[in-house]
Amino acid sequence: AQSVTQLGSHVSVSEGALVLLRCNYSSSVPPYLFWYVQYPNQGLQLLLKYTSAATLVKGINGFEAEFKKSETSFHLTKPSAHMSDAAEYFCAVSGAQKLVFGQGTRLTINP
Amino acid sequence: SAVISQKPSRDICQRGTSLTIQCQVDSQVTMMFWYRQQPGQSLTLIATANQGSEATYESGFVIDKFPISRPNLTFSTLTVSNMSPEDSSIYLCSVEGGVPVHTDTQYFGPGTRLTVL
Repeated sequence: AQSVTQLGSHVSVSEGALVLLRCNYSSSVPPYLFWYVQYPNQGLQLLLKYTSAATLVKGINGFEAEFKKSETSFHLTKPSAHMSDAAEYFCAVSGAQKLVFGQGTRLTINP
Repeated sequence: SAVISQKPSRDICQRGTSLTIQCQVDSQVTMMFWYRQQPGQSLTLIATANQGSEATYESGFVIDKFPISRPNLTFSTLTVSNMSPEDSSIYLCSVEGGVPVHTDTQYFGPGTRLTVL
């Protein structure tokens, strides 16, 4: 069975600082991994996905994530935070045509 | 990616009543899913809506409480029956697998925000 753990339910960074959101997964098969973002009062938007191609995946809005099999991790990063990045971020793993989500990380950007 | 709409976008309902949520996609898809997001929580899969057959429910969710229809490849409904305040959540529809080009990614609708008094 697949599972996802997001470390830190709340991350706060200053505008212009590095954003790092942590995600560790458990999967009995090579995983498909996703990061989604949820802005206030909106649905989920796909940021990026890993599907066994390149281990460094680039997404929208300057985000990227690196798949590290040895660490079972898929952390999300952005070099320079912007105020508009404030949102809830969800890591998810796909298995048997189902998505299993982590608990989410709320990102706050300080001016 | 597919454009997904949900109706209503939000509603306030009385205890004991039922609400039907619609999900419409602008292209044919093979898979449609319904999720619940309780306040401040992550997403939990309710069921997979199967076209032309009964939905497949996850543990803890039953058809009598959450009946689902999927009459074609672009439309599905979720009904929340005999509502109680514990049903207050965001309900999200998602889709995967385009026709004829298959994709392995789920895309989400904007959600329906339900408050039960």
